[in-house]
Amino acid sequence: DTGVSQDPRHKITKRGQNVTFRCDPISEHNRLYWYRQTLGQGPEFLTYFQNEAQLEKSRLLSDRFSAERPKGSFSTLEIQRTEQGDSAMYLCASSPFGGLAGDTQYFGPGTRLTVL
Amino acid sequence: GQQVMQIPQYQHVQEGEDFTTYCNSSTTLSNIQWYKQRPGGHPVFLIQLVKSGEVKKQKRLTFQFGEAKKNSSLHITATQTTDVGTYFCAGYSGTYKYIFGTGTRLKVLA
Repeated sequence: DTGVSQDPRHKITKRGQNVTFRCDPISEHNRLYWYRQTLGQGPEFLTYFQNEAQLEKSRLLSDRFSAERPKGSFSTLEIQRTEQGDSAMYLCASSPFGGLAGDTQYFGPGTRLTVL
Repeated sequence: GQQVMQIPQYQHVQEGEDFTTYCNSSTTLSNIQWYKQRPGGHPVFLIQLVKSGEVKKQKRLTFQFGEAKKNSSLHITATQTTDVGTYFCAGYSGTYKYIFGTGTRLKVLA
C-alpha cells in the first residue's frame, strides 16, 4: 500500500492556459473523489467516481472542469482556460468499496495550482 | 444546498487543557466523518460515526453523533502539542458526496 499519489505537486500557469492533474489511488480502491481546498477552508467536493463511472459532479463546477477515470484506475482532472480564481490545492482521495473500512477516504498530498 | 458549519473557527489552548469542536449540518446525515489536517499536510481520516447517538473513543479523543444525526462533536482531553492542526467534519447525506465543514484550527501552547 503506497498511498494515494498526485502529480504534479505544484503547478504554476498563466491565465487562459489548460492544466491537467493526475491522481493514482490506492490499488483496488473503487471510489475516487476530487476536492478543491483554498486557504482556511475545508475541502470542497468536485466530483466522484465509482470505478470508471462518474456518478456525481458538483453543480458549482463550471464547464471548464472535466475529470476522467479510464479503466477505473488513475484519474485526471483538467481545467481549461484557467482563471485566477482557480488557484487552490486540488486534492484526490480514494476509498475502498464497502466492508468494515466503510467510506474511509485516503487523501493524496494534493496539487497546488497557482494561476498568474 | 447542504451546509456543514463548525465552531469555533479557531481555538488556542494551553497544553493539558481540554478542547471541543462542534459540527452542525443543515440536513440529516447518513454518517459523519472526522479528519485532521496538519499545517501543510493533507486531511487524515480519524473516525466515522453512523448511528444516532453514537459515541466513539480513540485514546484522548471522544467523538459523538447527535440523536437527530444533524450534529457531531469532537472532544480532546488533555491536549498535547501533537494535537495541533485543523479538525474537519465531513457529512454524508447519501448523494455520493461528502460535505466538509469549515474546520476548527487548534493551537496548543506549551
